[in-house]
Amino acid sequence: AQSVAQPEDQVNVAEGNPLTVKCTYSVSGNPYLFWYVQYPNRGLQFLLKYITGDNLVKGSYGFEAEFNKSQTSFHLKKPSALVSDSALYFCAVRDKNTNAGKSTFGDGTTLTVKP
Amino acid sequence: KAGVTQTPRYLIKTRGQQVTLSCSPISGHRSVSWYQQTPGQGLQFLFEYFSETQRNKGNFPGRFSGRQFSNSRSEMNVSTLELGDSALYLCASSGLADSYNEQFFGPGTRLTVL
Repeated sequence: AQSVAQPEDQVNVAEGNPLTVKCTYSVSGNPYLFWYVQYPNRGLQFLLKYITGDNLVKGSYGFEAEFNKSQTSFHLKKPSALVSDSALYFCAVRDKNTNAGKSTFGDGTTLTVKP
Repeated sequence: KAGVTQTPRYLIKTRGQQVTLSCSPISGHRSVSWYQQTPGQGLQFLFEYFSETQRNKGNFPGRFSGRQFSNSRSEMNVSTLELGDSALYLCASSGLADSYNEQFFGPGTRLTVL
């Protein structure tokens, strides 16, 4: 079984400050981890993924995420937040034996960046 | 390449009716998945189709069904609608069968059951 937890329903940051959106996971085996963003009335957009290799993954729009195997975490980060980053963020996980089409998603974290 | 398209974008139905939602994946993508998104339950996996075969199924009642055509387009059907079926239904496609591939989502169909 696989599961994802996003412990914060809401994250508020000021524009220009760094942001972190937290994600922890549970899988039996090596995880494949993903971050998606959803803007109002839109579908989810892929931001970045961790498959293997370097624990720091860089993605779209200046976002990055750090894979930490010992803490089973995959936190999303950005050095300097923009107001336009305000959206709903989802972390997702699969294990190696799960098909590409079946992901387990966290409940989402609403990020609000204030000017 | 055109993205994932879903039709219709909005639907209003009454309890007991049935509904069919349509999804066209990105050209060349053979995996199509459906998710239900609600404020209280987040994103819940419904089912996945690959080359016209259902490969995975989530924990939803039999009222929820789907199919995939030879051109990879997929439809989802919900029969005997209940108020709790009101949700945003998202379709996602993926290029390959490998589990490390990301999914590409459509804009969703917002279903309201009255």
